[in-house]
Amino acid sequence: NAGVMQNPRHLVRRRGQEARLRCSPMKGHSHVYWYRQLPEEGLKFMVYLQKENIIDESGMPKERFSAEFPKEGPSILRIQQVVRGDSAAYFCASSPPWGNYEQYFGPGTRLTVT
Amino acid sequence: DQQVKQNSPSLSVQEGRISILNCDYTNSMFDYFLWYKKYPAEGPTFLISISSIKDKNEDGRFTVFLNKSAKHLSLHIVPSQPGDSAVYFCAASVTRLMDSNYQLIWGAGTKLIIKP
Repeated sequence: NAGVMQNPRHLVRRRGQEARLRCSPMKGHSHVYWYRQLPEEGLKFMVYLQKENIIDESGMPKERFSAEFPKEGPSILRIQQVVRGDSAAYFCASSPPWGNYEQYFGPGTRLTVT
Repeated sequence: DQQVKQNSPSLSVQEGRISILNCDYTNSMFDYFLWYKKYPAEGPTFLISISSIKDKNEDGRFTVFLNKSAKHLSLHIVPSQPGDSAVYFCAASVTRLMDSNYQLIWGAGTKLIIKP
């Protein structure tokens, strides 16, 4: 049973470019969470999605950031016009359809904005 | 405002001894607590959890204790092994049955170093 997959593992973007981060949840999981980790800090909740629905995006900046989880395919976290402050590790976690506190994490995408 | 705090950035313990990692929280609505372990360049891995209706949960070498009145929980690892060296995160959640939203609120982590 494959775990949560994230790609790319590392992404370098220049200021003003777009970053697209992908997350494939574990098989059978339909709930996806995105978290961001800044250096020396804990993870911070960004957004919670179920298939085709954004349930809670209270942790996501209102501008430049968006997320989706289509019926088919991976969940995408999109950051437009990246700035240096967006440099961080972005983790995706999935949980089963009935919901669960125990979330399973991918290896993360490390975004560096130059 | 930090709702979950891990005040020790690092902890060094001799192999074979007990490791005790601490975590404090401020939100009395939290009803579920988890510990995750994280190696560099990997995602967090679930370790052990506890519901607020319990005060102790044990799984092999790992035991989590919850003191609700003090809003404090701790993770005990005994005996400590070299492979336990990692960053340990405490996380908390509030049950939201309406939308099954179990977003986790995280502490900043404690780096555990097990000395041979």
